[in-house]
Amino acid sequence: QVHLVESGGGVVQPGRSLRLSCAASGFTLSSHGMHWVRQAPGKGLEWVAVIWHDGSNKYYADSVKGRFTISRDNSKNTLYLQMNSLRVEDTAVYYCTRDRWDWGQGTLVTVSS
Amino acid sequence: DVVMTQSPLSLPVTLGQPASISCRSNQSLVYSDGNTYLNWFLQRPGQSPRRLIYKVSNRNSGVPDRFSGSGSGTDFTLRISRVEAEDVGVYYCMQGTHWPLTFGGGTKVEIK
Repeated sequence: QVHLVESGGGVVQPGRSLRLSCAASGFTLSSHGMHWVRQAPGKGLEWVAVIWHDGSNKYYADSVKGRFTISRDNSKNTLYLQMNSLRVEDTAVYYCTRDRWDWGQGTLVTVSS
Repeated sequence: DVVMTQSPLSLPVTLGQPASISCRSNQSLVYSDGNTYLNWFLQRPGQSPRRLIYKVSNRNSGVPDRFSGSGSGTDFTLRISRVEAEDVGVYYCMQGTHWPLTFGGGTKVEIK
């Protein structure tokens, strides 16, 4: 059974950094592309980033390009999202999903002074 | 970026009656491999989204057959043949053909 568990969320000040993790189990992580998707409070879904199964390609939403970095460690069955220069508008629940669109439960990131 | 436009924004439905949600894109979603990467998701209150339909009309494993997807090119529809109480939530379409991936704004389905 596919299981994705996000962690690393919390409250952070604007301009600071945070790293999210997504622990994967129940499938072979190295065989799947992985995404991060976010949802601001009371709002819809926004795709954030994708990384190919082997890390060879990455794409980002314009809203996070240059500030966020997606990465993975297949040996640790873990996906990451390094978020730098955080803004108030980055406040959201961040979900990791695999390329077959199984979702974790999400982790809340709040950017506030 | 591809803009995905859903309608209606809100859909009050009667239990046992059909429901239909429209999703339109401002560019064709046909990929170079001939496939159309259009997905439908349901997010029940307080839950993570769950994919219902992929490549326009294919149901995910475990999705009841009262859900069906149709369409082509830029115009797509999700239909529920007979709405049940567990179908309440927000439905999103999402295109997976062009980068960046984009979602529709969502359609909230509620029981009258």
